[in-house]
Amino acid sequence: QKEVEQNSGPLSVPEGAIASLNCTYSDRVSQSFFWYRQYSGKSPELIMSIYSNGDKEDGRFTAQLNKASQYVSLLIRDSQPSDSATYLCAVAGTYKYIFGTGTRLKVLA
Amino acid sequence: ETGVTQTPRHLVMGMTNKKSLKCEQHLGHNAMYWYKQSAKKPLELMFVYSLEERVENNSVPSRFSPECPNSSHLFLHLHTLQPEDSALYLCASSQGNIDSGNTIYFGEGSWLTVV
Repeated sequence: QKEVEQNSGPLSVPEGAIASLNCTYSDRVSQSFFWYRQYSGKSPELIMSIYSNGDKEDGRFTAQLNKASQYVSLLIRDSQPSDSATYLCAVAGTYKYIFGTGTRLKVLA
Repeated sequence: ETGVTQTPRHLVMGMTNKKSLKCEQHLGHNAMYWYKQSAKKPLELMFVYSLEERVENNSVPSRFSPECPNSSHLFLHLHTLQPEDSALYLCASSQGNIDSGNTIYFGEGSWLTVV
């Protein structure tokens, strides 16, 4: 079993829709969770971090964490073509993140 | 601009060459990392330095040799690489332990092609 799993996609959504990206992880003791966005040919940039169960909102982005079920998700409201990128889920352990392979999101104009 | 600068951005090298990747962070962080990103694979942690001491080496082949002379600079020395080592090499930094919730910040990466 992979430590952090994501559907590689592509996930295609129309402009203005809600994009839902999901991630599951295997290490029950993980405490910190992160979503990064990576445009083609660029390095990952942090979008959201979440540490507690429930929802955390930042602008059009909402991160959701459920530690009992070991999943974390990212919702993007009012999706824009500029949101088209690969979204990486990362779970923190001592001195390192474990990354998923990423989900490629395509927002169709 | 993330505060983590990598040079060169692109590097093509032969299998018998020796080259180095350089990373500099301007964020006052005390931990630095090298990650490798290959197509269709998750980001792979290669090396971690905390307070200039190596704290993790994820079974990386000896043809990759890291060096951390101070908390702001990190190098990756490359020697007799293989074509399968072609990838994007990402440097990152953080303040303190990641599992304390501290975020890591990535540089823009160095694209390496081994021919």
